[in-house]
Amino acid sequence: AQKVTQAQTEISVVEKEDVTLDCVYETRDTTYYLFWYKQPPSGELVFLIRRNSFDEQNEISGRYSWNFQKSTSSFNFTITASQVVDSAVYFCALSEAGQAGTALIFGKGTTLSVSS
Amino acid sequence: AAGVIQSPRHLIKEKRETATLKCYPIPRHDTVYWYQQGPGQDPQFLISFYEKMQSDKGSIPDRFSAQQFSDYHSELNMSSLELGDSALYFCASRRTGTPYEQYFGPGTRLTVT
Repeated sequence: AQKVTQAQTEISVVEKEDVTLDCVYETRDTTYYLFWYKQPPSGELVFLIRRNSFDEQNEISGRYSWNFQKSTSSFNFTITASQVVDSAVYFCALSEAGQAGTALIFGKGTTLSVSS
Repeated sequence: AAGVIQSPRHLIKEKRETATLKCYPIPRHDTVYWYQQGPGQDPQFLISFYEKMQSDKGSIPDRFSAQQFSDYHSELNMSSLELGDSALYFCASRRTGTPYEQYFGPGTRLTVT
């Protein structure tokens, strides 16, 4: 069965600190997709990144970076030099390939609070 | 760029009433997903449609039904509303054949009193 685990329920940091959000997933499929979404206090879900199971390259986008390791079934997200605007709930999600209707399985989310 | 449109954005209903939520996907997106997010919870998949046919079903109560129309918009119909149905309902869309990310609408916040 598919499962996404975000063990960190809440994280609090001070501005400019680096922070890593952990995500561990379970799937029996060999082809799957991993995602990170951000949900700010306003409530919308903002897509951040997608990673294919066959592409283990890490990715950096500005202050954001992602580390995908199939060997440990992890897809961790690091924010460098955090800012107050990064305060949000972050969800890691998994989707299996093969069908047009494959839904996202979300983790429970990590609430990140960045104080000034 | 065009985004997913959901209406209404807020809805207040009483117990046992019915509600209809609407979703207009991004142009040329042929797949629509519905999710329910309770307070402090992660989004839970309800149902999805591909080319106007139901393609997958999650934890959707029997009191709920949904469909996708010829113009690809979708409606989620909810009957005999219960207090526990109070949640944020998201619609997401995707274009088959493109990378798998789903783009979410702003959500409809349903409050049942």
